[in-house]
Amino acid sequence: GDQVEQSPSALSLHEGTGSALRCNFTTTMRAVQWFRKNSRGSLINLFYLASGTKENGRLKSAFDSKERYSTLHIRDAQLEDSGTYFCAVAGNKLTFGIGTRVLVRP
Amino acid sequence: GGIITQTPKFLIGQEGQKLTLKCQQNFNHDTMYWYRQDSGKGLRLIYYSITENDLQKGDLSEGYDASREKKSSFSLTVTSAQKNEMAVFLCASSRTGTSAETLYFGSGTRLTVL
Repeated sequence: GDQVEQSPSALSLHEGTGSALRCNFTTTMRAVQWFRKNSRGSLINLFYLASGTKENGRLKSAFDSKERYSTLHIRDAQLEDSGTYFCAVAGNKLTFGIGTRVLVRP
Repeated sequence: GGIITQTPKFLIGQEGQKLTLKCQQNFNHDTMYWYRQDSGKGLRLIYYSITENDLQKGDLSEGYDASREKKSSFSLTVTSAQKNEMAVFLCASSRTGTSAETLYFGSGTRLTVL
């Protein structure tokens, strides 16, 4: 079946720095979605991409269906960016990765 | 904008008990979903519904029932709670039922079985 791998599994950042999360998948997918689960358990929709890149504030995401990956870049990290980030890729069905836990430290 | 409301937020049950989780959405979306999230695993689809009174099994439907009483509500029943079971159940909705459609999630129901 469709497989989705997220890396790294966990990430620690100092405030003001940046990093990238990656989502690899095994077959050609039509779209990717990125979510963040916050401390209250809510899953917040960050991006939906069928191709190319999108930017929203300090977050930027890219989707390369041919190379079978998507990335989520965080720049100028803030404490409220902490949480678990999930990617979900759309093939015949929507398949979720197991998440990347991000902790932003002062 | 809209919101997805899940009740209860926390649910504690006994082994063998039948437990019901509820979900309401005011997006006027056609499709609603129930996912289960276990620690260290991605979200797994239990049931989904593409319209009122429709039910479709997901990858993890055994041990669960669901009901789409009306367009705005979708309930999930754990038919017989398993001892030491702990998981978060997430309800979601989307405008249509295609996989390439933005999902909106509720804040979850955390289940603990004693």
